[in-house]
Amino acid sequence: TQLLEQSPQFLSIQEGENLTVYCNSSSVFSSLQWYRQEPGEGPVLLVTVVTGGEVKKLKRLTFQFGDARKDSSLHITAAQPGDTGLYLCAGFYGQNFVFGPGTRLSVLP
Amino acid sequence: GAVVSQHPSWVICKSGTSVKIECRSLDFQATTMFWYRQFPKQSLMLMATSNEGSKATYEQGVEKDKFLINHASLTLSTLTVTSAHPEDSSFYICSANIALDFSTPAIFGPGTRLTVT
Repeated sequence: TQLLEQSPQFLSIQEGENLTVYCNSSSVFSSLQWYRQEPGEGPVLLVTVVTGGEVKKLKRLTFQFGDARKDSSLHITAAQPGDTGLYLCAGFYGQNFVFGPGTRLSVLP
Repeated sequence: GAVVSQHPSWVICKSGTSVKIECRSLDFQATTMFWYRQFPKQSLMLMATSNEGSKATYEQGVEKDKFLINHASLTLSTLTVTSAHPEDSSFYICSANIALDFSTPAIFGPGTRLTVT
């Protein structure tokens, strides 16, 4: 059983479309991080959300942390081919840093 | 900013040999580093937590005698895959945290691709 679930698992969209991916847990997390990983590379941190209800924006990316700190979402506006990659949410559970299974996004030109 | 490096970036070895992968924190000290493996098109799976000056903590199902972890200094952890087999072929990634608190994100190395022939 995964501590962090992500949906959808795969997403293929056309350039210019909007999309939202979700990260859910039955457990409360003190914070959640979102990473993007491109093939053959390590994950790169996009954002950390700490406060329940928090919304953070990073250019065309909008991140939200649920009020109960059990879920988070990532919304991308006007997706571009450069947004293609594996999007991972992660957080500390006890002393371990755990990852969700990821959403693999493909943005077609 | 803080950087984590890995060496080598890729390695090919023959079945039965051992391979060592290094993970270094370049401009900060890390008392704890984490080792992950990632199979194609899958997420990262935590293998073990590497603790400076003490034994590593392994996740369930990870053979500690096969995946030897040494964290000899505050900036270096090594993962040795002993008697490698083709099923050990994977992408191995390490990470470190500047501080082990919930607001400090993990910093990841670029990964090492291991291919066992």
